[in-house]
Amino acid sequence: AQRVTQPEKLLSVFKGAPVELKCNYSYSGSPELFWYVQYSRQRLQLLLRHISRESIKGFTADLNKGETSFHLKKPFAQEEDSAMYYCALSPGTYKYIFGTGTRLKVLA
Amino acid sequence: GAGVSQSPSNKVTEKGKDVELRCDPISGHTALYWYRQSLGQGLEFLIYFQGNSAPDKSGLPSDRFSAERTGGSVSTLTIQRTQQEDSAVYLCASSYSGGATGELFFGEGSRLTVL
Repeated sequence: AQRVTQPEKLLSVFKGAPVELKCNYSYSGSPELFWYVQYSRQRLQLLLRHISRESIKGFTADLNKGETSFHLKKPFAQEEDSAMYYCALSPGTYKYIFGTGTRLKVLA
Repeated sequence: GAGVSQSPSNKVTEKGKDVELRCDPISGHTALYWYRQSLGQGLEFLIYFQGNSAPDKSGLPSDRFSAERTGGSVSTLTIQRTQQEDSAVYLCASSYSGGATGELFFGEGSRLTVL
């Protein structure tokens, strides 16, 4: 079965500390993976996708096929990073499967 | 604006009543999705439209839920005989083509509260 697991519902870090939001997936093929973010009182929006291999707002995510993971990382968290983060998988069709989300709180 | 528009933004209804939620996607986007966002449940897929047809209705939780899309544009999600467990934020998203690399553009959601 296709599944995305985000084990942490809430992650609190201090400003300037490194942050890692975990995402594990279950899929037998080669999926497309994404991170979406929802800031307070804003709509859900794409943060980054693994095929682009880009860094957005200082965030990066590496696809590890051996560990079936796509963790989101940032070396120095900022207060404006506080948001709800969703990891998503697409098996190569129209379908997108989202995780349950991790709320990141960056403390001053 | 050019974004996905949803209405109403908030709806409070009594158990047993019917509700309609509307989504106006980005012009030119052929793919349209409905998701349900509940606390602690993440985003639950409900239905996918490609143009006016719905090739995947597998996420609709019961036959009280239905959706249609007309003119390849506006979509309406209807919930009949609402129950308290239907309370959630209903999100609509559109995509240019529905392909795997297509970014999903979300609306702000319709928050439904069933008393």
